[in-house]
Amino acid sequence: AQKVTQAQTEISVVEKEDVTLDCVYETRDTTYYLFWYKQPPSGELVFLIRRNSFDEQNEISGRYSWNFQKSTSSFNFTITASQVVDSAVYFCALSGYAAGNKLTFGGGTRVLVKP
Amino acid sequence: KAGVTQTPRYLIKTRGQQVTLSCSPISGHRSVSWYQQTPGQGLQFLFEYFSETQRNKGNFPGRFSGRQFSNSRSEMNVSTLELGDSALYLCASSPRDGGASKNIQYFGAGTRLSVL
Repeated sequence: AQKVTQAQTEISVVEKEDVTLDCVYETRDTTYYLFWYKQPPSGELVFLIRRNSFDEQNEISGRYSWNFQKSTSSFNFTITASQVVDSAVYFCALSGYAAGNKLTFGGGTRVLVKP
Repeated sequence: KAGVTQTPRYLIKTRGQQVTLSCSPISGHRSVSWYQQTPGQGLQFLFEYFSETQRNKGNFPGRFSGRQFSNSRSEMNVSTLELGDSALYLCASSPRDGGASKNIQYFGAGTRLSVL
């Protein structure tokens, strides 16, 4: 069985603060993929990043960065210098090698950035 | 390229009725997956179709069914609606079935179903 846990249900910050979203996963697969998606109020899930289990390099994309630590089964996401437009619900998801395109999602973290 | 299109965007039904939701994937994408999102259960996988064949199914009752057409468009059907079926139904498409290089799934804006 696969499981994704996002312990933080809601985070509120003031603009320009950094915010880190935690994601812990469980899987018996040795090959798996991790994803982050953003869900703005419009409802659609917007893809942010995909990482496979063999690539533990951290990644930075603009104000976004991701820290993948296989030893602790975590794939955390940091928004640097947050902006109001970052307000959304963020989901971490896992897909095992044999699971086709099935994604197992965490419960999501709502981020509220106040001006 | 147009994104994933779901119709209708909003739907109101009463208990016992049935409903059909439609999803048009991104052009060239052959895999379509469906998810149900509710405040209580979060995002849950319903099923996945590739080349008109169901490849994977989530843990939902048989009242939930789907199909995919030769042009990759997909429909899902819920029969004998219950109050608990009220949810946002999201469709996602990807180029091919998941494998060695796991596909990125691109989501539509969803159909919000309210069952009264």
